Amino acid sequence: ELKVEQNPLFLSMQEGKNYTIYCNYSTTSDRLYWYRQDPGKSLESLFVLLSNGAVKQEGRLMASLDTKARLSTLHITAAVHDLSATYFCAVDEETSGSRLTFGEGTQLTVNP
Amino acid sequence: GAGVSQSPRYKVAKRGQDVALRCDPISGHVSLFWYQQALGQGPEFLTYFQNEAQLDKSGLPSDRFFAERPEGSVSTLKIQRTQQEDSAVYLCASSRLAGGFLGYSEQFFGPGTRLTVL
Repeated sequence: ELKVEQNPLFLSMQEGKNYTIYCNYSTTSDRLYWYRQDPGKSLESLFVLLSNGAVKQEGRLMASLDTKARLSTLHITAAVHDLSATYFCAVDEETSGSRLTFGEGTQLTVNP
Repeated sequence: GAGVSQSPRYKVAKRGQDVALRCDPISGHVSLFWYQQALGQGPEFLTYFQNEAQLDKSGLPSDRFFAERPEGSVSTLKIQRTQQEDSAVYLCASSRLAGGFLGYSEQFFGPGTRLTVL
């Protein structure tokens, strides 16, 4: 059974600081996604990582994938309040139409 | 263009009632998924359709859960004799291609239906 583990699960940080969220998974997939979810809302796609060594950046967020270590990271640079949300990583099992297995989520709060 | 839509957005049911949740995928999308998201958790896979064929229902938690997509477009998730543990947000997603071992195909998520069973 595929397991996807995120840490930390809760993250409170000050504006302007940097931090990294980690996503470990237990299969050999090289397709991994990051989503953002605001309270009461659906999932917003942030990054699609499709190969070992893939790195994507958008604004203050940067995601990377190391398929050999089965690890993805989401790095936050100079956090701002608007980044407060829950972030999920999800691994594509490459079966059943690419069903996704999600991590537990990291609830990020950025304080002024 | 229109994204994935779901209805109703909110549903309150008394324990033991049957409910039906609807998903309208993006037009022309081959693949359709249902996920269940309990409060404070990540979404969990329920079932997958490729066109009208239900190819994977391994995530359905019990035989009270039933899903269909008879014409390969709109899908309905039905829950019979609802229980309190069924309370969750039910997310539908669609993707343009078959995905899986055939290659990457991005999933687009709907807004979800929040089901509360009293």
